[in-house]
Amino acid sequence: QQQVKQSPQSLIVQKGGISIINCAYENTAFDYFPWYQQFPGKGPALLIAIRPDVSEKKEGRFTISFNKSAKQFSLHIMDSQPGDSATYFCAASMEAGGTSYGKLTFGQGTILTVHP
Amino acid sequence: DAMVIQNPRYQVTQFGKPVTLSCSQTLNHNVMYWYQQKSSQAPKLLFHYYDKDFNNEADTPDNFQSRRPNTSFCFLDIRSPGLGDAAMYLCATSRDRGLPVYEQYFGPGTRLTVT
Repeated sequence: QQQVKQSPQSLIVQKGGISIINCAYENTAFDYFPWYQQFPGKGPALLIAIRPDVSEKKEGRFTISFNKSAKQFSLHIMDSQPGDSATYFCAASMEAGGTSYGKLTFGQGTILTVHP
Repeated sequence: DAMVIQNPRYQVTQFGKPVTLSCSQTLNHNVMYWYQQKSSQAPKLLFHYYDKDFNNEADTPDNFQSRRPNTSFCFLDIRSPGLGDAAMYLCATSRDRGLPVYEQYFGPGTRLTVT
């Protein structure tokens, strides 16, 4: 019930195209859903995050769509650029309770390649 | 700039030889985390500190220990590294109050090689 399932495992997109990565979760107690971007040899960097009280959040070319009833959320990268080529992780977290201070449950990751 | 710093960035150790990785932060966050990330996998939480309270994940091997002498520093000790412990080790921080809560900031990681 703690899992977050992410797909696809890898994604190839042409420059200017739309990249879409999907995640699904089981635990309805999750209340914070971030996306992280990780370049080779670097630590993950927070890209964008959403709470379940909104269905969409947009920051520049990056949009999270959230479907609470389906327990799914997705990342859309508009006008994808070669510089967006990286591994993307979705994650989920819940209100602190006991010792679970914002513990992140990660998806399996998606390797995005954007061809010039 | 406020940040999470990890030293060293690359560490080579011998099988069974203890090794310590360090993390420091200038964000003044009260929660610090240690993750292990193997190639093509998601980060795996080893343990975290809420202030000085240590919280171990149930599946973290006893071989891994941690110390947090003050708010700014946290150490990961691997007492007897095995070949399977070769990985990227990531430190992260977050705060437990204010908005946005639980937003985790990751350091650049330490790449550990075990020979």
